[in-house]
Amino acid sequence: SYGLAQPPSVSVSPGQTASITCSGDKLGDKFACWYQQKPGQSPVLVIYQDTKRPSGIPERFSGSNSGNTATLTISGTQSMDEADYYCQTWDSNTGVFGTGTKVTVL
Amino acid sequence: VQLQESGPGLVKPSQTLSLTCTVSGDSISSGSYFWSWIRQPAGKGLEWIGRIYASGSTNYNPSLKSRVTISVDTSKNQFSLNLSSVTAADTAVYYCARGDVDLAYWGRGTLVTVSS
Repeated sequence: SYGLAQPPSVSVSPGQTASITCSGDKLGDKFACWYQQKPGQSPVLVIYQDTKRPSGIPERFSGSNSGNTATLTISGTQSMDEADYYCQTWDSNTGVFGTGTKVTVL
Repeated sequence: VQLQESGPGLVKPSQTLSLTCTVSGDSISSGSYFWSWIRQPAGKGLEWIGRIYASGSTNYNPSLKSRVTISVDTSKNQFSLNLSSVTAADTAVYYCARGDVDLAYWGRGTLVTVSS
């Protein structure tokens, strides 16, 4: 079955850039999206169709997707960005989530 | 758009877990989106369970397909999840969501515990 791999954790200093990768076979041929989940809350869509930001999502969130890797970049990271992040795509009409990355803002 | 999960918070092993998602602010029968179930065991990642279209067409996670049924009631603007033969491994927060290529709207989730 199709799988998406993410690093378990990423640490970043306030104001710096955090990059979270999501790896899957020929992922660049599919659409990828990203969700942010804070403790006790439902996931929130932060990037869809590889690069697009939903209304209300800060410009510091951006995405890319090429080859086998999709990347979520948080520029000028703030303490409020500390959360778990999940990538997601579709393979043969099946939803697939990444393994998740915990972003810590030190 | 708002989604609200409802159903028993405790299910006995080997029984069937049944949840309903009530949608407001959108009409399932419009056919513009699909309607999904996702779950998350405590401290673990998200797992996609399946989805349904207004037409009743469904797609399921292959790992759960033999135990899952998702149905829709457009007259009540609801869709439902049935998961049979549950075990402790099915204990999780269950979310319903509305989607297209992405899942833009989620319910708040409901905790279902499988225990005797």
